[in-house]
Formats: sequence, structure tokens, C-alpha cells
Amino acid sequence: TQLLEQSPQFLSIQEGENLTVYCNSSSVFSSLQWYRQEPGEGPVLLVTVVTGGEVKKLKRLTFQFGDARKDSSLHITAAQPGDTGLYLCAGARTGGFKTIFGAGTRLFVKA
Amino acid sequence: NAGVMQNPRHLVRRRGQEARLRCSPMKGHSHVYWYRQLPEEGLKFMVYLQKENIIDESGMPKERFSAEFPKEGPSILRIQQVVRGDSAAYFCASSPRQRDSSYNEQFFGPGTRLTVL
Repeated sequence: TQLLEQSPQFLSIQEGENLTVYCNSSSVFSSLQWYRQEPGEGPVLLVTVVTGGEVKKLKRLTFQFGDARKDSSLHITAAQPGDTGLYLCAGARTGGFKTIFGAGTRLFVKA
Repeated sequence: NAGVMQNPRHLVRRRGQEARLRCSPMKGHSHVYWYRQLPEEGLKFMVYLQKENIIDESGMPKERFSAEFPKEGPSILRIQQVVRGDSAAYFCASSPRQRDSSYNEQFFGPGTRLTVL
């Protein structure tokens, strides 16, 4: 059973399009992180969201944490080929140390 | 400030041999995590360590796998008597001392790709 469900699993779009990927759970998380991983490399931290309803922007990327702290979304505006990669959400449940990762959304942006 | 370092980047072993994977956390970080990733899959938690202590090893197989983070030197993930199913990318991450569990930011190394022949 995957505690963090990511959707879609795979997304192929044209440069300039917008997209949203989702990270959902039935559990409450004290925080959620989004990472991007490129082939042959380790994940790179993009953002941490902590407060329910929180919205954070990182250039063309907008991250939102659900009000109940059970889900999160990542929206990319005007995608570029450099955005290609595996996007992973991760979180630790309240009072826990173990970080749980979703299976990831594999994004491919065509020029 | 150097990031998380892992070595070797690639490791080839024959069935039955031992594999030792090393991880040097970022300077000032006292928490280390090990993850395993199979192709086209996400990261699976294996173990969480602080200096000289194993905090959570609930993701580690009960046999053949062990991890340590000594007072001096890197963290080591050791796999004895490797089998083909151990072939995977193994990632180490580190984080600074955490004031509470609200922030769980981890910084990853480049990984070690283990191939068992």
C-alpha cells in the first residue's frame, strides 16, 4: 500500500504547456517535500510545505499544501525541456522520523 | 560547502560477495538516511541513523543488510552475500539536527549503483 499516491505516473507535454501533478494520502503529514530527480543523480529538494493551505512559488513552479495536510500539488507554468525529470513528493507523519516517498511523476517536456 | 558524498558511484559484485557503500553527510549534519531505488520506481526507506545510533531500521531486510554511522568517518551500508535482487541504486541523504519533526528536509548524495552479476 502506497501511503503517498502520486498522479499522473507519467506525463509527456509540449514546451510552453502548463501542468499539475498531485500527491495524495489518507494520512496527515507534519510536512511535505517535493524533490526533482534527473537520470543517474540523487533527488534535489525543491520545497518544503508545512502549514495547511500554504502556497509556495519557485519561479514557474507553484506548490500547495492541502488544508488538512493530507495532499499537495505542484503546478508548472510554461514548461520547458529543462523541467524534464522525476518529481517525487515525500513526507513524515506527525511525530515520526521515517520519510515516506511517493512513486513519482515522470515528466517529459518536448521542445 | 560540499554536498553529500557517496562512493563508489558504481559497484559490481558477483553473487555471494560483500558490498560496502559509503556516505559522508554534509558538514554539520548528524542524521543519515539510506534509501534503495529500483529502475522506474520511487525511493524505499531503509534505515535512519544518528552518530553511533540506529534510530529506525524498519526498512532494512532482516538478513544480510547492516548499517552503521560511527563517531568518526562515513556511514556504511553493508550487504553480505549479495544476490541479483540486490541490484539497485542506493541513495544516502543527510539532514541537520532537527528541532522537531515539522521540517524533514533531506539532502541527497548522487547514489551508488550496485550491479550483482
